[in-house]
Amino acid sequence: KNEVEQSPQNLTAQEGEFITINCSYSVGISALHWLQQHPGGGIVSLFMLSSGKKKHGRLIATINIQEKHSSLHITASHPRDSAVYICAVKTLRGSNYKLTFGKGTLLTVNP
Amino acid sequence: DTGVSQDPRHKITKRGQNVTFRCDPISEHNRLYWYRQTLGQGPEFLTYFQNEAQLEKSRLLSDRFSAERPKGSFSTLEIQRTEQGDSAMYLCASSSTGTGGPYEQYFGPGTRLTVT
Repeated sequence: KNEVEQSPQNLTAQEGEFITINCSYSVGISALHWLQQHPGGGIVSLFMLSSGKKKHGRLIATINIQEKHSSLHITASHPRDSAVYICAVKTLRGSNYKLTFGKGTLLTVNP
Repeated sequence: DTGVSQDPRHKITKRGQNVTFRCDPISEHNRLYWYRQTLGQGPEFLTYFQNEAQLEKSRLLSDRFSAERPKGSFSTLEIQRTEQGDSAMYLCASSSTGTGGPYEQYFGPGTRLTVT
C-alpha cells in the first residue's frame, strides 16, 4: 500500500464546477504539499501546509492531521486548471526533507 | 532569480550510452533534491544534497547512477550504460534551510530521458 493515496485518479468537470481532490496518508508528517503539473511540464508548488487551511485565489487546501487527510478544492473551475495535481508529504520517519508523492489526479476541465 | 533550471530539457539516447543532466538551483538554496517520475506515476526520491554533501540516496539509485554537487551550487546526475527502464522525467528541486522548517521545495522543469 502506498504511503500517499489520492482520489480520484481521473476527474472530468465542466467549466465553472467546484472540484475536490482528496489525499490520504498513512504516516506521520511534518508538512503536506499540493503540486500542479501540466503535460510535459515541470512541477509548480501550490501549497505547503501542516495544519488548518490555506487559500490562494480560486484554490483552497485543507488538512486534518488527526484523520491524516487533505483536500484541494478549486472553485469556479476553468479549462486552464486542467493538469495533474499531486499530493506530497514530508514524513517524520528518517529524513524530514525528502518528499513522498501520491500518483496524482488528472483533472480535465471542459469548456 | 529565475528559479530552478535544468538542462537539457529532453534527451534521447541509445541503450548503453552514458548521459549527464545538470540542475541549477535557486541561488540562495543550499538543499538540492533529485526525483524520477515515470509515466503515470508520481515522482520518486533519488537523492538529496545539503551544500556539497550527498546526505541520502534512495535504493532506486543503482550503481549506474551518480550525482554530484561539487561546489554546493549546481548538481549533475549521470547515468552510465543506460537501459530502457531509465526512461523517465528527472526532476530537480531546491529549498533553503535554517532553524525550524520544513522548507518549501521549488521544482525545475525536468529533463525527459528516452532510451531507445
